[in-house]
Amino acid sequence: NAGVTQTPKFQVLKTGQSMTLQCAQDMNHNSMYWYRQDPGMGLRLIYYSASEGTTDKGEVPNGYNVSRLNKREFSLRLESAAPSQTSVYFCASSEQGTGSQPQHFGDGTRLSIL
Amino acid sequence: SQQGEEDPQALSIQEGENATMNCSYKTSINNLQWYRQNSGRGLVHLILIRSNEREKHSGRLRVTLDTSKKSSSLLITASRAADTASYFCATPQYNFNKFYFGSGTKLNVKP
Repeated sequence: NAGVTQTPKFQVLKTGQSMTLQCAQDMNHNSMYWYRQDPGMGLRLIYYSASEGTTDKGEVPNGYNVSRLNKREFSLRLESAAPSQTSVYFCASSEQGTGSQPQHFGDGTRLSIL
Repeated sequence: SQQGEEDPQALSIQEGENATMNCSYKTSINNLQWYRQNSGRGLVHLILIRSNEREKHSGRLRVTLDTSKKSSSLLITASRAADTASYFCATPQYNFNKFYFGSGTKLNVKP
């Protein structure tokens, strides 16, 4: 049982390039999330998907887009990468978006933008 | 913002000692969760305490919640080197689909 799988684990981009971070969960969870983690900042929510077919903005959505491809997969796209988007990106899922259930995290994608 | 904040930012103790870390938050909650993050890994859920609970135990973990002070504490008893990690509190936002995570307490347990 893999839980939440993120690909790639590491990526280096040049400013202006685009890329998509992939996330898949095998726990049949309804809700999925994308966070970024910067030193000393904790985790900040970028986008979330309460259920298949819906997505909503979090705290820091600018410069990102998401797609809930199906119940298992939730991708994050950077259309034109900027150095300020250098961060560690985490995908998470929970059974329901009720706030009373734990979130399950992947091991992150470490993204550097030069 | 409803963001939780942990205190202290860093804590270094000897194996066998107890470790206490605190979390403060700003608005009413219906539950508060604690997570652990080992270096280079994702967060792992440790324990959830509901707003009508004052204390909860799980193995060597003890969590307290004081809703009047908007604060929670996580106590790890008889710490081990394997407890070395960062610990975060998380509070759900009013619509429950969003969580706020604090900036974490970095715990170092020396063997």
